[in-house]
Order: sequence, then C-alpha cells, then structure tokens
Amino acid sequence: NAGVMQNPRHLVRRRGQEARLRCSPVKGHSHVYWYRQLPEEGLKFMVYLQKENIIDESGMPKERFSAEFPKEGPSILRIQQVVRGDSAAYFCASSPAMPDFYTEAFFGQGTRLTVV
Amino acid sequence: DQQVKQNSPSLSVQEGRISILNCDYTNSMFDYFLWYKKYPAEGPTFLISISSIKDKNEDGRFTVFLNKSAKHLSLHIVPSQPGDSAVYFCAASGNQFYFGTGTSLTVIP
Repeated sequence: NAGVMQNPRHLVRRRGQEARLRCSPVKGHSHVYWYRQLPEEGLKFMVYLQKENIIDESGMPKERFSAEFPKEGPSILRIQQVVRGDSAAYFCASSPAMPDFYTEAFFGQGTRLTVV
Repeated sequence: DQQVKQNSPSLSVQEGRISILNCDYTNSMFDYFLWYKKYPAEGPTFLISISSIKDKNEDGRFTVFLNKSAKHLSLHIVPSQPGDSAVYFCAASGNQFYFGTGTSLTVIP
C-alpha cells in the first residue's frame, strides 16, 4: 500500500541543464498537485493535474516549467535551463477526489533540487 | 494573494502545556480545512480536518476549532510533547488546496 512516491529524493543540476522530477501518486488517485518550498518559506502551489489534463497551473512560472500527468506512468515536473533560484524542495501530493469534495491530499517525501 | 495565512512563524511551548496554532483565511467559500505536520526533510503528513458544518473536531490530543464568522481556525495540542516539534501547515480546499506558510512549533522538554 505505497503512498506517494517521488524520485529522485535529491537532484543536483548545473545551471542551464534540465531537471525532471517524477511523482507516482497513491494507487487509485487521479488528482496530482505539485508544490515548491523555498528555504524558510511555506508550500507554494504550482500546478494541479488530473490524468492527461492540467486543471490549474496558476502557480507555475510562465517559462521553463512544465508538468504532465499522462494516462500511464508518473506525473513529471520538468524544469528547463535551471537557474540557482530554482533550488528548492518540490513536493507532489495526490488525492482520490477533487479538492472540493472533502478529501485530503497525501504528500510524497519531496525532491530536493540543488542547482550549482 | 495569500488566501490562507499563518501569522506566527514560530511558537515555543513547555512539554505538557497546550500548544495553540492559529490560521486565518479570506475566502468565505472554503468549506473544508486541514492541518498538516511536517518534519525536516520529509513531506507533510495529514493530521486532522474539519468541515464547515462543524465548529470542532477532536482526535486524541489534537483538536481543531473553526470560527466561520471570523474566518479563523486553530489547532490545539494538549498535552504537548517533544515529538510534536515540527512545522504545522493549515490548508483549505477549494478548486485546489491552499496552504498557509506554516508555524514552526518547538516543544521544550
């Protein structure tokens, strides 16, 4: 009965490289959320996806960031041409129903991205 | 715009005493609220929730109170234990989950 699985746990990238963060939701969950936590800050919403659809990407930077949740396989958060300011912990969460259906979001352990 | 706010970034409490963590929200359409606990280098874990039809929900040492008219909720932990030391996030669910910025609780033995 695995929870939300994120990999890798730690990722080091040089400036200008691409970072790909993976998230496998709880089995049976079709709603996935990505959050970013910068040092000394709270959880900042990035994007909410359902299978094959982006529902809300209001928290995603307009450039270099993209997310997908394909019909098969994990959700991917992709950051192109990383910069030092992208260094943060990225958390994925999943839920069994839409957020406004009295449901909880279950979080993964996070991926800590360091850009050098 | 921050729709869920936790105005106290940190709180220290003696072991055995009550910890009270506060949270305010701005959107009166929110009707389900959650508290999460987060240890360093781990993901947040769900702690307790409350729907807007209630004003109190209790689970062991944890109680959440909701004041809809004031758009305020609070988490009470009693008695506080050193293992409760963590960052606590309050959240509201709407068309997504909105999180506050967290309160770091330290329980002093």
